[in-house]
Amino acid sequence: DQQVKQNSPSLSVQEGRISILNCDYTNSMFDYFLWYKKYPAEGPTFLISISSIKDKNEDGRFTVFLNKSAKHLSLHIVPSQPGDSAVYFCAASAQGAGSYQLTFGKGTKLSVIP
Amino acid sequence: DTEVTQTPKHLVMGMTNKKSLKCEQHMGHRAMYWYKQKAKKPPELMFVYSYEKLSINESVPSRFSPECPNSSLLNLHLHALQPEDSALYLCASSSGGGRDQYFGPGTRLTVT
Repeated sequence: DQQVKQNSPSLSVQEGRISILNCDYTNSMFDYFLWYKKYPAEGPTFLISISSIKDKNEDGRFTVFLNKSAKHLSLHIVPSQPGDSAVYFCAASAQGAGSYQLTFGKGTKLSVIP
Repeated sequence: DTEVTQTPKHLVMGMTNKKSLKCEQHMGHRAMYWYKQKAKKPPELMFVYSYEKLSINESVPSRFSPECPNSSLLNLHLHALQPEDSALYLCASSSGGGRDQYFGPGTRLTVT
């Protein structure tokens, strides 16, 4: 049972345009969400996170939106740059004893075309 | 500084060998993690140390043995591994009360 789903395995975007990566979750206990970027053969790089008490968090070109009622979050990258080409993982954790455990989605491969 | 370092970068070992993976962070984080990642899959949690004590062991085989000598260091001792244990092994850390986990670059392990 996949609790964190990234339904788009890949996404192609023109340089300078907006990239929107989507993530859905099923576990109502999740209250903290993170996005990571990963290049091949490297560790994931933390990008941005959001707590369930918020519906938006922004850091530079990256904005994460959370819709709790729909159990959906999205990562917006504006403007997209060729260096953003990577696999993006959405992750979630639950409060309490489970707060250390991240549940990852399967990732979306973003290609930014110059 | 959000750097987690891991050594070695690559490791090839036979099934009878004993080797260790090392992880270090100097961010003052009090939680450290070992993950395993296979190609085209998300990372899978193996162990969590919180304040230098093992708090989570995700039913990992005993041929993997974690050790946390101090709050900055985390080791993973390997013995009698199988070829299917070949993977990217990732270390991560987070502050004691924080939930943002920062990953190291990983050790690419090949078991022959």
